[in-house]
Amino acid sequence: AQKITQTQPGMFVQEKEAVTLDCTYDTSDPSYGLFWYKQPSSGEMIFLIYQGSYDQQNATEGRYSLNFQKARKSANLVISASQLGDSAMYFCANGGPTDKLIFGTGTRLQVFP
Amino acid sequence: EPEVTQTPSHQVTQMGQEVILRCVPISNHLYFYWYRQILGQKVEFLVSFYNNEISEKSEIFDDQFSVERPDGSNFTLKIRSTKLEDSAMYFCASSERQGASNQPQHFGDGTRLSIL
Repeated sequence: AQKITQTQPGMFVQEKEAVTLDCTYDTSDPSYGLFWYKQPSSGEMIFLIYQGSYDQQNATEGRYSLNFQKARKSANLVISASQLGDSAMYFCANGGPTDKLIFGTGTRLQVFP
Repeated sequence: EPEVTQTPSHQVTQMGQEVILRCVPISNHLYFYWYRQILGQKVEFLVSFYNNEISEKSEIFDDQFSVERPDGSNFTLKIRSTKLEDSAMYFCASSERQGASNQPQHFGDGTRLSIL
């Protein structure tokens, strides 16, 4: 069965610094995807970045990059040059051959000036 | 950028009443989903829907729940007789293709359902 583990309930980072949010996964599917979503205090779920299990390169989207280490089953999100607006909950999710995404418990990121 | 829209943003309902949550998926997307998030907990899959049929559902999605695409644009989640434990944020999502391994699902802003 798929499982996502986010071990950091909360993280603090100073504005303009980089921060890494950890995510480990467990799946027996040979083909899978890893996703990060941002949930601000207003509640919406915003898709940030995707990494496919067969992708050779780490995914990047602007200030977001995904540090994908397949052998370690980790898919950490790196946010560079943090901004105050990055303060939010961040969820890692795993998608396999079926339709459902399996989410982790999330990490609350707080960016301070 | 196209987005998934959900209405209402907040619904307050008496226990035992029926509630219908509405969603308009992204227009060229063919696969639709409902998820829920109980306050302070992680997001959980409820159901996926394609070609007017349920393609997958979780154990949460019992006989009290149903989904429908009543016309070409709307996708609805109905809870027949609400219980206190149905209080949660409900997210609609859509995607272009089937399968969750190779494409993102785009989520709406959610409907916060409060059962009194």
